[in-house]
Amino acid sequence: EVQLVQSGAEVKKPGESLKISCKGSGYSFTTYWIGWVRQMPGKGLEWMGVIYPGDSDTRYSPSFQGQVTISADKAISTAYMHWSTLKASDSAMYYCARLGLERRRWDPYYFDYWGQGTLVTVSS
Amino acid sequence: EIVLTQSPGTLSLSPGERATLSCRASQSVSSSFLAWYQQKPGQAPRLLFYGASSRATGIPDRFSGSGSGTDFTLTISRLEPEDFAVYYCQQYGSSLLTFGGGTKVEIK
Repeated sequence: EVQLVQSGAEVKKPGESLKISCKGSGYSFTTYWIGWVRQMPGKGLEWMGVIYPGDSDTRYSPSFQGQVTISADKAISTAYMHWSTLKASDSAMYYCARLGLERRRWDPYYFDYWGQGTLVTVSS
Repeated sequence: EIVLTQSPGTLSLSPGERATLSCRASQSVSSSFLAWYQQKPGQAPRLLFYGASSRATGIPDRFSGSGSGTDFTLTISRLEPEDFAVYYCQQYGSSLLTFGGGTKVEIK
């Protein structure tokens, strides 16, 4: 069974750093792109970026380029999202999701499996 | 960037009724690379359709997807209590993935 299990909720202060995680199991973690999606409170879904865990090739949405860093540790089948300096506007639910295509080349695709989400709250 | 506009924003219907949700793209979505997701409160989105009309695993056949080019439709033939949720479309015809703003299907 394919599963993506995300790290727990976080409460941080503005200016702090944060790294959240997404651990995949039940499939070949290194050969599927993993994406991150933001959902601000009461709002819709926004694609942030993707990573190919096999070699850590990464693509970002222009809206999030330079704002976050996506990484992966294939040895432990885990992808990460990192913020170096959090802002209150980063408060949101963050989902990781698997792209539904097993292919090294980056091709935009749909997400077939989703993590349960990580709620990030940034408040002074 | 392909902008997806979903309408209506909210659909108020009773169980057993038919629901028709629209997703309109600002430019043609190549090869009907459009997906639909369902999101219930407190849950992650769930894939319903890809390729505009291909049902994902385990999705009941009361759900159907159709459309091409710039106009796509998700239809629920007879609403069941568990179908009341928010539905999102997503295009993957361009390298910048985008989602629509969502349609909430609520109980009337």
